[in-house]
Amino acid sequence: ETGVTQTPRHLVMGMTNKKSLKCEQHLGHNAMYWYKQSAKKPLELMFVYSLEERVENNSVPSRFSPECPNSSHLFLHLHTLQPEDSALYLCASSQEFPAENEKLFFGSGTQLSVL
Amino acid sequence: KNQVEQSPQSLIILEGKNCTLQCNYTVSPFSNLRWYKQDTGRGPVSLTIMTFSENTKSNGRYTATLDADTKQSSLHITASQLSDSASYICVVSCLNYGGSQGNLIFGKGTKLSVKP
Repeated sequence: ETGVTQTPRHLVMGMTNKKSLKCEQHLGHNAMYWYKQSAKKPLELMFVYSLEERVENNSVPSRFSPECPNSSHLFLHLHTLQPEDSALYLCASSQEFPAENEKLFFGSGTQLSVL
Repeated sequence: KNQVEQSPQSLIILEGKNCTLQCNYTVSPFSNLRWYKQDTGRGPVSLTIMTFSENTKSNGRYTATLDADTKQSSLHITASQLSDSASYICVVSCLNYGGSQGNLIFGKGTKLSVKP
């Protein structure tokens, strides 16, 4: 266990559905991240929160909406997704942000399939 | 553009054999280089982190090397086990934050399969 827990592990949704991914870290870290991992592509940084403030939003479509209610919890709200959004969504945390010298701890991910 | 290239894309070896995975990078200014192991359906787990001044670091049967002059790194796995079957991801940390990649530049990974 890395100390970062993601739920659900698997999610199948239609393009008109609304769902949310949840991430919780038990490490006392100040920064949390959402990454997208598609087949044969490097991890793509989506959002970064530091001390509950969003510090990065990498031109992610508005159908992805993050929420960080406190430093231990991170959500990714999904609505009207497209089939190309099917991927493994990884949550991560680090003690501080930026993370150039920080160790990143990843959750197990949510495998999302959009039909 | 900051990039990390890994080779081979995939590799199959027999249990007990050694193997070496390669990572070349064009990241500046360089802060450190990390190797992660990612089991199928799981998140990446850190194996090693090396700074500019370190040219080798071990973690059990895993040994990473770094040549900062040629901007190359390798991950050597000794006496492979079935549980080593995973993707191995090279990540280079950049001192300057900015751009869509953030501080951490990820490679696509090498998928290793260890067969009995």
